[in-house]
Amino acid sequence: ELKVEQNPLFLSMQEGKNYTIYCNYSTTSDRLYWYRQDPGKSLESLFVLLSNGAVKQEGRLMASLDTKARLSTLHITAAVHDLSATYFCAVDYGDNDMRFGAGTRLTVKP
Amino acid sequence: EAQVTQNPRYLITVTGKKLTVTCSQNMNHEYMSWYRQDPGLGLRQIYYSMNVEVTDKGDVPEGYKVSRKEKRNFPLILESPSPNQTSLYFCASRGTGRSEQFFGPGTRLTVL
Repeated sequence: ELKVEQNPLFLSMQEGKNYTIYCNYSTTSDRLYWYRQDPGKSLESLFVLLSNGAVKQEGRLMASLDTKARLSTLHITAAVHDLSATYFCAVDYGDNDMRFGAGTRLTVKP
Repeated sequence: EAQVTQNPRYLITVTGKKLTVTCSQNMNHEYMSWYRQDPGLGLRQIYYSMNVEVTDKGDVPEGYKVSRKEKRNFPLILESPSPNQTSLYFCASRGTGRSEQFFGPGTRLTVL
């Protein structure tokens, strides 16, 4: 069965702190995506990770992919309030067969 | 402007009344998908299409139909909607290769 698990599902953090969101998936794939969703809005693409060992960074967010462990991480550095949103990982199992994690709702408090 | 559009954005209907949600993209993308989003479940893929006249079932296809007669359009059809299809629906598209996926604004459907 194709499964994608994210944890934690809820994350409340103080501004300035660091934290990591984990995305585990059940079946081998070398294509993984991270998205951001603000309340009441659509999904915005953050990162596309296409090979083992891929690492991408944008501002305070850094994503990595370990295809052998079937694990991707989204690391948040020195969080700010603007990063409050729900973050999803999604695994592409080929020909656009996409499976999403349940999402991590991040709240950054002053 | 490159975009994916969906209509309607909000729809309240009654059980059994056929409805269609339209999706259109202007990026000449080959791949298009429909998803539903429910609290605690993330997004689940309903159907996807690899090109014109080529579609396949996703994770939760029961109760839905799609068609891809033109590259830019990918309508989602509910022949006989039921209350368990009340959800937020997203259409998405992407090009071939390993490119990012673009999402439409969403359609909030309520079936009474």
